[in-house]
Amino acid sequence: GNSVTQMEGPVTLSEEAFLTINCTYTATGYPSLFWYVQYPGEGLQLLLKATKADDKGSNKGFEATYRKETTSFHLEKGSVQVSDSAVYFCALKTGGGNKLTFGTGTQLKVEL
Amino acid sequence: DTGVSQDPRHKITKRGQNVTFRCDPISEHNRLYWYRQTLGQGPEFLTYFQNEAQLEKSRLLSDRFSAERPKGSFSTLEIQRTEQGDSAMYLCASSLSRGEGDTQYFGPGTRLTVL
Repeated sequence: GNSVTQMEGPVTLSEEAFLTINCTYTATGYPSLFWYVQYPGEGLQLLLKATKADDKGSNKGFEATYRKETTSFHLEKGSVQVSDSAVYFCALKTGGGNKLTFGTGTQLKVEL
Repeated sequence: DTGVSQDPRHKITKRGQNVTFRCDPISEHNRLYWYRQTLGQGPEFLTYFQNEAQLEKSRLLSDRFSAERPKGSFSTLEIQRTEQGDSAMYLCASSLSRGEGDTQYFGPGTRLTVL
């Protein structure tokens, strides 16, 4: 079956630090990959996505590249801000299905 | 606001009572999904509709759970004879089945607490 594994949190960084949140997956077929973000007290928001190998998704300074050879979709940002503090979820969806399979989430806390 | 809306945002109930949640998807989205999220975990898929047809149900959806989408617009999720293990955040999402059909947009969720 499909599964997503994320690095455990919480991750605590200073403002302007470099961020990497690791995500690896197991899937049948060729999945689409997503990062969702959940800010405190709010619902899940799509951050970025990639639908095929070597695609790079990007949004708000965040990037993730679909690596088929390593079955990974790591989230990166060059310089984090306090406002990036949230829980980040990696997810996948296989082409023939309709449900998203999520990782357990990684909490990011950015301090001044 | 044209996003996915859910009602109520919070529900506290006693064990054994029935509860019903409502989800209004983004207009023109023909697909609607229900997920459940427990503390410290990612959302888990419960069920999915395309228009009014319920096309997939997870094994997580026990006989006490029922979902409907009678006119292909809003949806309801009912839990009968609630148990403490049902305490969770219930999330609704919607999407199109064409174009950006891969992208699901989520509502704010209904937090259920069963005492």
